Amino acid sequence: AQSVAQPEDQVNVAEGNPLTVKCTYSVSGNPYLFWYVQYPNRGLQFLLKYITGDNLVKGSYGFEAEFNKSQTSFHLKKPSALVSDSALYFCAVRDMDSSYKLIFGSGTRLLVRP
Amino acid sequence: DAGVIQSPRHEVTEMGQEVTLRCKPISGHNSLFWYRQTMMRGLELLIYFNNNVPIDDSGMPEDRFSAKMPNASFSTLKIQPSEPRDSAVYFCASSFTSGRRQETQYFGPGTRLLVL
Repeated sequence: AQSVAQPEDQVNVAEGNPLTVKCTYSVSGNPYLFWYVQYPNRGLQFLLKYITGDNLVKGSYGFEAEFNKSQTSFHLKKPSALVSDSALYFCAVRDMDSSYKLIFGSGTRLLVRP
Repeated sequence: DAGVIQSPRHEVTEMGQEVTLRCKPISGHNSLFWYRQTMMRGLELLIYFNNNVPIDDSGMPEDRFSAKMPNASFSTLKIQPSEPRDSAVYFCASSFTSGRRQETQYFGPGTRLLVL
């Protein structure tokens, strides 16, 4: 079965420190992977995606993600966290049995303390 | 572009009442999705439209839920009658699809529904 796992419910980092939000996936074939961010009382905002090509994908707000096929991971990273990065982050993978369905992880809450 | 527009942003109603949620997708997008988000179940796809036609409604909870897309710029999700367990945040998302290639889904701000 296809799935996405975000093993951490919450990640705490200090402002200015690097952050990593973890995501692992299980799909057959080559995955299409996405990261979205949700701020309080807001919709999901697209951050970045991996379809093919360079394993390091750069996205909005200084975020990047590294696709690692051998570890089936797609961790979200940022070199220097901001308090304003505090939000809920979702990893998603496209369902390989359909061309449209996204399978979302359970979400990771990022808390950046001043 | 204004992005995906949803209305209302908040809805409080009593059990048994009809609720209608509205969505205007991004202009030029031909795919539209309705999602429901709850603490217990996370994000669930309710229904997917392509070129105004419902393609996959397997996520619609039961007959009390119905969705329509009368044209490329408008969709509704209706709950009749509403029940307290329908309380959730409902998101609309849109994207562009060509053949089997589908571009990124962009989400609206959501409608927070509370059924008393």
